[in-house]
Amino acid sequence: NAGVTQTPKFRVLKTGQSMTLLCAQDMNHEYMYWYRQDPGMGLRLIHYSVGEGTTAKGEVPDGYNVSRLKKQNFLLGLESAAPSQTSVYFCASSRNYGYTFGSGTRLTVV
Amino acid sequence: RKEVEQDPGPFNVPEGATVAFNCTYSNSASQSFFWYRQDCRKEPKLLMSVYSSGNEDGRFTAQLNRASQYISLLIRDSKLSDSATYLCVVSRSNQFYFGTGTSLTVIP
Repeated sequence: NAGVTQTPKFRVLKTGQSMTLLCAQDMNHEYMYWYRQDPGMGLRLIHYSVGEGTTAKGEVPDGYNVSRLKKQNFLLGLESAAPSQTSVYFCASSRNYGYTFGSGTRLTVV
Repeated sequence: RKEVEQDPGPFNVPEGATVAFNCTYSNSASQSFFWYRQDCRKEPKLLMSVYSSGNEDGRFTAQLNRASQYISLLIRDSKLSDSATYLCVVSRSNQFYFGTGTSLTVIP
């Protein structure tokens, strides 16, 4: 049982480049989330999804887009990366109770 | 005002000590409450849920005071392996709100 899997684990981007982070869960969870974690800021919600085909903005959505074409996958896109998007990104999923997190993606934008 | 506020610490305690963490939340409509543990460079993991009646899991005791909007975590007989950051979490309407975490280091 893999739980929540994030790819890639590490990435370095140049300013202006684009990339997609993939989150996959095998627990049949309805809800999926993307967070970023920065020192002193805690976990901040970027976007979330309450089911296949639905997405919604969180606390810090600017500069990111998401898609949930399949229930098990939640993609986070950066169209034009900026140094301010250097962070650790965590995906999470939940059904009724508690979150399960992926192991994170460390992104550096230079 | 932040949804969840925690003392960031750090707390440095000797092995065997008892340590308590506190947390307050701002929205009285919050429905569920949790403590998560996050090790350095790892993802947060659920430590325990928090109930109004208080609940205990081995050396860990969590309590919730809805009237004061206050959550606590008590760790007894601290072990070196307890060193981590402890995140206070509240949820409502299937959204979770995280505190910035309290750092604990248990010293030999």
